[in-house]
Amino acid sequence: DVKVTQSSRYLVKRTGEKVFLECVQDMDHENMFWYRQDPGLGLRLIYFSYDVKMKEKGDIPEGYSVSREKKERFSLILESASTNQTSMYLCASTRAGVFYEQYFGPGTRLTVT
Amino acid sequence: GDSVTQMEGPVTLSEEAFLTINCTYTATGYPSLFWYVQYPGEGLQLLLKATKADDKGSNKGFEATYRKETTSFHLEKGSVQVSDSAVYFCALSDHGSGGYQKVTFGTGTKLQVIP
Repeated sequence: DVKVTQSSRYLVKRTGEKVFLECVQDMDHENMFWYRQDPGLGLRLIYFSYDVKMKEKGDIPEGYSVSREKKERFSLILESASTNQTSMYLCASTRAGVFYEQYFGPGTRLTVT
Repeated sequence: GDSVTQMEGPVTLSEEAFLTINCTYTATGYPSLFWYVQYPGEGLQLLLKATKADDKGSNKGFEATYRKETTSFHLEKGSVQVSDSAVYFCALSDHGSGGYQKVTFGTGTKLQVIP
């Protein structure tokens, strides 16, 4: 059974802290994605990666960075957390190609106080 | 750029009612189209997909047909159950400006089915 796992389901951090969210997939997928989900806004793409050590900015990359040192692992970093980054963060992976569906992790609900 | 528009929710239906959730899209290429479902407290999971015009995707009693002439991919189910209560997302997958896969989501439609 295919699986995407995220390091935490719930996280509470203080303003200014550096935050790491980790995502691991076991399907040997080339592409990995980080989204944030907010009510009324749907899913917005933060960053994606199509290969190890490669990354591309999505629609809302400001305040975030990513790292992909191994094919199965894609990390999202909040350099200095702010209250407007309180959100649900979803990781997804997919095989390369527009025909393939994304597989999602369960999400991390991050609260920045 | 690509965009997906789906009907606003929430949608409240009685059990066994007919469901339609409208989805229309704009795309520059030849996208694949998807419906994802998100149950409370979970991530999204694929419900069905269609990769070319006139294809019909189906799963768990849900259906959607890829209509290129109307740029639509409406989700339907003949008889909903309480267990179908969830948020439904329409999405398209296309080649982005760098040649990479780009996925665009609608804002989601919350469905509540009451007994």
